[in-house]
Amino acid sequence: ELKVEQNPLFLSMQEGKNYTIYCNYSTTSDRLYWYRQDPGKSLESLFVLLSNGAVKQEGRLMASLDTKARLSTLHITAAVHDLSATYFCAVEINSGGGADGLTFGKGTHLIIQP
Amino acid sequence: DTGVSQDPRHKITKRGQNVTFRCDPISEHNRLYWYRQTLGQGPEFLTYFQNEAQLEKSRLLSDRFSAERPKGSFSTLEIQRTEQGDSAMYLCASSLSRLAFVKYFGPGTRLTVT
Repeated sequence: ELKVEQNPLFLSMQEGKNYTIYCNYSTTSDRLYWYRQDPGKSLESLFVLLSNGAVKQEGRLMASLDTKARLSTLHITAAVHDLSATYFCAVEINSGGGADGLTFGKGTHLIIQP
Repeated sequence: DTGVSQDPRHKITKRGQNVTFRCDPISEHNRLYWYRQTLGQGPEFLTYFQNEAQLEKSRLLSDRFSAERPKGSFSTLEIQRTEQGDSAMYLCASSLSRLAFVKYFGPGTRLTVT
């Protein structure tokens, strides 16, 4: 059974600081996703990482993937309050049966304080 | 088309009642997914359609749950004889094809079973 573990699960940080969220998964994956969720809202796609060594950046967020280590990171640079949200990583495996269901981590609840 | 829509957004029902949710995917998206998210957890995959065919169901989808996508466009998720443990946010997502990777999530239907 595929397991996806994120850490930390809760993070409080100050504006202007840098930090990294880690996502480990237990089996070979086809793709890795990062999503953002604001309270009471649905999920917003941030990044899709397709191959080993993939790195994607959008604004103050940068995601990377190491398929050999089965590890993805989401790095936050010079955090601002607007980035406060819950961040999920999700792993997708081609089951061969046609299903592309994502397996999500528990999420990292990020609070950025002024 | 502004995105995936779901109806209703909130549903309160008494234990034992049946409920039905609707999801309208982004136009021309042939893949449609249902997920369930409980408080403080990541979404869990329930089922997946490619066009009108339901190709996979999670073991989470008990026999009280049924999903349809009769014409390959909108989908419905029905829960019969609801239980308090069914209380959750039910999320629908769609994607254009497997190659498109990104799955776009709707706003969700929050179900409360009393």
